[in-house]
Amino acid sequence: DAGVTQSPTHLIKTRGQQVTLRCSPKSGHDTVSWYQQALGQGPQFIFQYYEEEERQRGNFPDRFSGHQFPNYSSELNVNALLLGDSALYLCASSFGTTSYEQYFGPGTRLTVT
Amino acid sequence: GQNIDQPTEMTATEGAIVQINCTYQTSGFNGLFWYQQHAGEAPTFLSYNVLDGLEEKGRFSSFLSRSKGYSYLLLKELQMKDSASYLCAVRSNTNAGKSTFGDGTTLTVKP
Repeated sequence: DAGVTQSPTHLIKTRGQQVTLRCSPKSGHDTVSWYQQALGQGPQFIFQYYEEEERQRGNFPDRFSGHQFPNYSSELNVNALLLGDSALYLCASSFGTTSYEQYFGPGTRLTVT
Repeated sequence: GQNIDQPTEMTATEGAIVQINCTYQTSGFNGLFWYQQHAGEAPTFLSYNVLDGLEEKGRFSSFLSRSKGYSYLLLKELQMKDSASYLCAVRSNTNAGKSTFGDGTTLTVKP
């Protein structure tokens, strides 16, 4: 039973560039939430996808966008990267939007220089 | 707004008991989570409390008082592998994904 997977593991980008991060949910899960975790802080909710639509959004600018595919996998896109976007990006999956059982992936470490 | 407070760091001795506190002020409450996160790894689910009282699960227990906006995680018989960050998170509506996390408590277990 595959858990949540994310790719790539690490990524280095230059300020102003664009980045795409990918997430495959745990088998049987259909909902994906994305979080940003800066060093020494707790994860901050970016947005959630269910049935290929954005269902909830946190306090992040429009530079952060996403997509969910029919197979429930998801992408997080960040445009016009800023130095402050450097963080660990976590994907979490669940079955439905109300289940409290949420499983996190290993994360993608993004460094913006 | 949402505000979740936890101590930044704690140290305890192997075999001992430690209590990690969490206080919260949130607009809406639909449950409180505790996660464990080892350095460089993903958070892993420890517990979920939605009603007042103590939930025990092996060496770990979690307590909730909704009227006081307070929770604690109790770790018994500490082991070296328990050295990690412990995150308190509040679910403010029925959507589990949109949880608000505290900044975590880094626990160091010493021999």
